[in-house]
Amino acid sequence: DIQMTQSPASLSASLGETVTIECLASEDIYDILAWYQQKPGKSPQLLIYDASSLHTGVPSRFSGSGSGTQYSLKINSLQPEDFARYYCQNGLSAPYTFGAGTKLELK
Amino acid sequence: EVQLVESGGGLVQPGRSLKLSCAASGFTFSNYYMAWVRQAPKKGLEWVATINTSGSRTYYPDSVKGRFTISRDNAKSSLYLQMSSLKSEDTATYYCVNIWEPHWFAYWGQGTLVTVSS
Repeated sequence: DIQMTQSPASLSASLGETVTIECLASEDIYDILAWYQQKPGKSPQLLIYDASSLHTGVPSRFSGSGSGTQYSLKINSLQPEDFARYYCQNGLSAPYTFGAGTKLELK
Repeated sequence: EVQLVESGGGLVQPGRSLKLSCAASGFTFSNYYMAWVRQAPKKGLEWVATINTSGSRTYYPDSVKGRFTISRDNAKSSLYLQMSSLKSEDTATYYCVNIWEPHWFAYWGQGTLVTVSS
């Protein structure tokens, strides 16, 4: 099974800051990676797929990059609605594993 | 607008069975793979099952293989998850999810809570 390791587990930042969340796959996943956002009490929402493609309606302050085993999610100019939990996901092969999540909190 | 509405969750004793349903609308249901993803209380996300467009192929992780069965009725735009031999570790919110190829969980329902406890 492909293991997905996210870092950091939690992150504190201020409005307007830029933050980066990392995701490390246990083997090459050939950019077949997605990022999700989950707000408290809500369902997860797809943000980015194919490592860098924005899902419909996702603001352009979100961006994804990486290749091979290392990927990152960058959020520019943090807005109040961005404080949430973020997950990466292996889409290459079953089982379709998720990272443990990164909680982004307001400083 | 894509809508996925789950139902059927509740409290069930260990070893018993439960069937979840998901009513889909806002897209051509028969054209999409569908899946269930669960989230234990205050925990992360776990993929539970996927079914292809016709229902002829299904996929499961080892944690539920042999106990859970995913199925669909394209005429009713509905997805199901039959869960048997339930364990306490199956306690979670179960989400019905629309899949974009290769395997992106594109749209999620609001979830239904399953609690396995005596």
